[in-house]
Amino acid sequence: QQQVKQSPQSLIVQKGGISIINCAYENTAFDYFPWYQQFPGKGPALLIAIRPDVSEKKEGRFTISFNKSAKQFSLHIMDSQPGDSATYFCAASMRGANNLFFGTGTRLTVIP
Amino acid sequence: NAGVTQTPKFQVLKTGQSMTLQCAQDMNHNSMYWYRQDPGMGLRLIYYSASEGTTDKGEVPNGYNVSRLNKREFSLRLESAAPSQTSVYFCASREPGTVNQPQHFGDGTRLSIL
Repeated sequence: QQQVKQSPQSLIVQKGGISIINCAYENTAFDYFPWYQQFPGKGPALLIAIRPDVSEKKEGRFTISFNKSAKQFSLHIMDSQPGDSATYFCAASMRGANNLFFGTGTRLTVIP
Repeated sequence: NAGVTQTPKFQVLKTGQSMTLQCAQDMNHNSMYWYRQDPGMGLRLIYYSASEGTTDKGEVPNGYNVSRLNKREFSLRLESAAPSQTSVYFCASREPGTVNQPQHFGDGTRLSIL
């Protein structure tokens, strides 16, 4: 059973557009929600993370929006660039836990 | 600063063969992890080690064994490889703290089992 559900599976956006990736979870014990970015042939790398005590976190062109009541969170990439083309994974973990539960990934392609 | 180093990068095995995937980290992290990545399934945890001397099963441990050799090294062994174990394997490490710390990943081992 997938603990974190991610959509869409793939996404094509024009350069300068907004990319939006959505994730949903059921376990209310989750209290840490990171996003990882993975380029072909490389391992995932932490992009940005949020805790449920805030509804939004922004780092440069990347923003996480968090809706605790709906148990959903999303990644917004503003002014998307071809260099943003990668696979994005949302994830969740519980306080003090050692392991992360990953979504199934979204392959983003930004076309010039 | 190499971070997390995995060897080998690629491997082809025949069904029934055994092999060990190696992982080493130079960040003095306590926790280490092994994941497998399959198309459409994201990353699934195979085993993890919260600290030297301890190991625990993750979501998909069947067919695998692990050894936490020391603080730096965490190996994954396939005793009798099966085609269903064809995957990309990632090792990661993390420093636990009062606030969740990010996991740092290696670049993976691409394993094909014929």
